[in-house]
Amino acid sequence: EAGVAQSPRYKIIEKRQSVAFWCNPISGHATLYWYQQILGQGPKLLIQFQNNGVVDDSQLPKDRFSAERLKGVDSTLKIQPAKLEDSAVYLCASSLDPGSNSPLHFGNGTRLTVT
Amino acid sequence: AQSVTQLDSQVPVFEEAPVELRCNYSSSVSVYLFWYVQYPNQGLQLLLKYLSGSTLVESINGFEAEFNKSQTSFHLRKPSVHISDTAEYFCAVSVAIAGGTSYGKLTFGQGTILTVHP
Repeated sequence: EAGVAQSPRYKIIEKRQSVAFWCNPISGHATLYWYQQILGQGPKLLIQFQNNGVVDDSQLPKDRFSAERLKGVDSTLKIQPAKLEDSAVYLCASSLDPGSNSPLHFGNGTRLTVT
Repeated sequence: AQSVTQLDSQVPVFEEAPVELRCNYSSSVSVYLFWYVQYPNQGLQLLLKYLSGSTLVESINGFEAEFNKSQTSFHLRKPSVHISDTAEYFCAVSVAIAGGTSYGKLTFGQGTILTVHP
């Protein structure tokens, strides 16, 4: 089966610019997650979707971050405006259903550098 | 809330030596436990998990981890490492809810970089 696809792989922007990341989960996976992984730290959950609805966005900095999953498949994560501290790898993951203990499958991530 | 502490940020070992990567967690509710591995420039891959039953779980490539509820630990071990085991390893937990299910989302530790030298 095809894995979780993310693009772009790398992105360099200046602070105060905007940026968007795209994720295509594994086919049939209802649950989608965005994680932020800052260098030297473990991944931190930003937002969890179940189909096209938000389950948990308690750790998403909503003043600058937004995410959507309009048709319950692909998802985009946007940062506007970016800050230096947003430099990180943004990981997308998907699973069949959170209630089934199905494992999370991760994409390769997008490495964002804010200068 | 849950938290995960990985006690060693870096572990260097020689090839064919044994290794233990330590993980402790804190939670007021029951949790499921996971180890993920991340090779350079790749996403995280599930290495093994503990949901219930036997407290000793094994992966297909020779790693094992033991759930110790009294010590709230889930240490990862391998009796003999290979160069190819060089990677970053993450311990993670998810909240266990009724019916053997979970909320899905994971709380990760800060990671341990395992470097295997020839």
